This record gives sequence, C-alpha cells and structure tokens, in this order.
Amino acid sequence: NAGVTQTPKFQVLKTGQSMTLQCAQDMNHNSMYWYRQDPGMGLRLIYYSASEGTTDKGEVPNGYNVSRLNKREFSLRLESAAPSQTSVYFCASSGIGQPNQPQHFGDGTRLSIL
Amino acid sequence: GENVGLHLPTLSVQEGDNSIINCAYSNSASDYFIWYKQESGKGPQFIIDIRSNMDKRQGQRVTVLLNKTVKHLSLQIAATQPGDSAVYFCAESPTGYGNKLVFGAGTILRVKS
Repeated sequence: NAGVTQTPKFQVLKTGQSMTLQCAQDMNHNSMYWYRQDPGMGLRLIYYSASEGTTDKGEVPNGYNVSRLNKREFSLRLESAAPSQTSVYFCASSGIGQPNQPQHFGDGTRLSIL
Repeated sequence: GENVGLHLPTLSVQEGDNSIINCAYSNSASDYFIWYKQESGKGPQFIIDIRSNMDKRQGQRVTVLLNKTVKHLSLQIAATQPGDSAVYFCAESPTGYGNKLVFGAGTILRVKS
C-alpha cells in the first residue's frame, strides 16, 4: 500500500544542470499534481494532469516541464536548474468524483541547487 | 518540518486540551475546503474536508467548521496528543478550478506534555 512514491528523496545540483523528478501512484487515480514548498509558505502548484494524456500549467510553471507517462506516472523536469528552484517538491494524486476528491501526497524530493 | 519558518503562526497547547486552528480563505467562490497535517520530513497528510453546502463536519477527534459569511475555516482537535504536533494547512478549491487546491501558509501546532 505505497500510495504516492517520489524519487529521489534528496538531490544536489549545480546551476545549469538538468534533472527529472519521478512520481508514481498505485491508487488508480486519474489526476496528478506537482507542487513546490518553500520555507514559511504553503504549497504552490507547478503543473497538473487532470487525466492521462493531458497536462496544464499551475501557479508557478516557469522553468519546469512535465510528462504524464501513463496513468501511474507523472514526472517533473528541470531543464537548466537555477538556485531559485531550491525547494521541496511534492507530487500528489486524486481520484475522480464530483465535485472534489482529496489529494494524496508523497513524501517529497528535497532539491538543492548550488 | 520544512515549513517551520520564521513567519508561521504557532499554537501551543497542553496535552489533553482541545486545539482550534484557524484559517481565513480568500475566494468567496470556493466550494471545497480541506485540512492537511504535515510532520517533519513528510508530505501533507489528509485530515478532513468539507464542501460549501455544509457548516460542520466531524471526523475522529477532529471537527471542521466553515463560516462562509466571513470566509473562515477552523479545525478543532479534541484531547490533543503529542503526536498531533505538526504544521497544519488549510486549502481551498474555487468553483470551476477543477480539483486544484490553493494552500494557506500553515500553522504550527506544538503540544506540551
């Protein structure tokens, strides 16, 4: 009963390097989300995927790209990492249902960019 | 946790007392609200949710109250335990926003034994 699994848990990058954060869910959820969390702030939505085959920008998409690989997996890519992208990244998923269903979160990837 | 920062409000309660965590939401068109608990080094954990057609909803040891007139949400925790120590977030979903959430900054709950 893993829920939402994120890899890696920790990563240190140099400015300009690229990286892909992985997320997988085993709850057969249709929707998946990527957030970032910075000190003293709530979570901010980067990108989301309402269903397999669709992706849309959230509140803070600049500098990121996503891929909904299949129903289970949703990856987040940093093409050219910048220090401002140092953060904790969380992936979440939710099922379908009207009008809303709770999102369930992974335990995050802690990313530092030097 | 990662969000224990300089500016988060903090609520300190004695073990066994009841806790009330408050949240002012921003969008009068929001029709879904949810509370999460985040422990150090972990992701947010779902506690309870409520839809805008309700004023109150109860779970196990928790109650959420919604006052749409003043755009206020509260989470009540009965008989607070040391394991309740965490950062608590409220989030709202405006009508037409799909299942996306807008999060508040969080409140730190510290339980004294």
